[in-house]
Amino acid sequence: AQKVTQAQTEISVVEKEDVTLDCVYETRDTTYYLFWYKQPPSGELVFLIRRNSFDEQNEISGRYSWNFQKSTSSFNFTITASQVVDSAVYFCALSEAGNQFYFGTGTSLTVIP
Amino acid sequence: DTEVTQTPKHLVMGMTNKKSLKCEQHMGHRAMYWYKQKAKKPPELMFVYSYEKLSINESVPSRFSPECPNSSLLNLHLHALQPEDSALYLCASSPGQGAYEQYFGPGTRLTVT
Repeated sequence: AQKVTQAQTEISVVEKEDVTLDCVYETRDTTYYLFWYKQPPSGELVFLIRRNSFDEQNEISGRYSWNFQKSTSSFNFTITASQVVDSAVYFCALSEAGNQFYFGTGTSLTVIP
Repeated sequence: DTEVTQTPKHLVMGMTNKKSLKCEQHMGHRAMYWYKQKAKKPPELMFVYSYEKLSINESVPSRFSPECPNSSLLNLHLHALQPEDSALYLCASSPGQGAYEQYFGPGTRLTVT
């Protein structure tokens, strides 16, 4: 079974629109960690955020915000006022304490100028 | 400094060649990783080194041979590869294994002819 599901394969938005990338995870552990990574066309994965299972506070960093809801096992990522430089593949990942990452299949975001 | 460096950036090799990929980090991280990524797919974990010892080997064929000479360096030795091994090979490091964010290098784009 897929531990991390990113149902949106591709999304296109026009510049300055807001966009939300969905991430649903599955785990039986009470301690786990969630991550978002950005992979621009250059190929390097860029770390965006890490959240542990005991901290459900939402987080905002500039135009980026994350909504963590344990009740629905979701960790969604919103980009406000999108820009062309936001065009990339975004991966959500889960780590169950002590072990490897489980990556979702990724969402390819295209921001159209 | 959150930089992981990888050399070479691109590599073309024949099926009978022997080559090595190199990865370096100077963040004092004790866990290092090799991933393989095919186009439009998430990274697939190959190997994990923790405190310079091989911690995870995800049933990778023996034509891929990892080496961790010291805590800052990680190599991937390649021998008798197949065309289907062509992919982006990513190196990552983290302070420890599992619960921490991983920092990725820019990758080596490998083509096997």
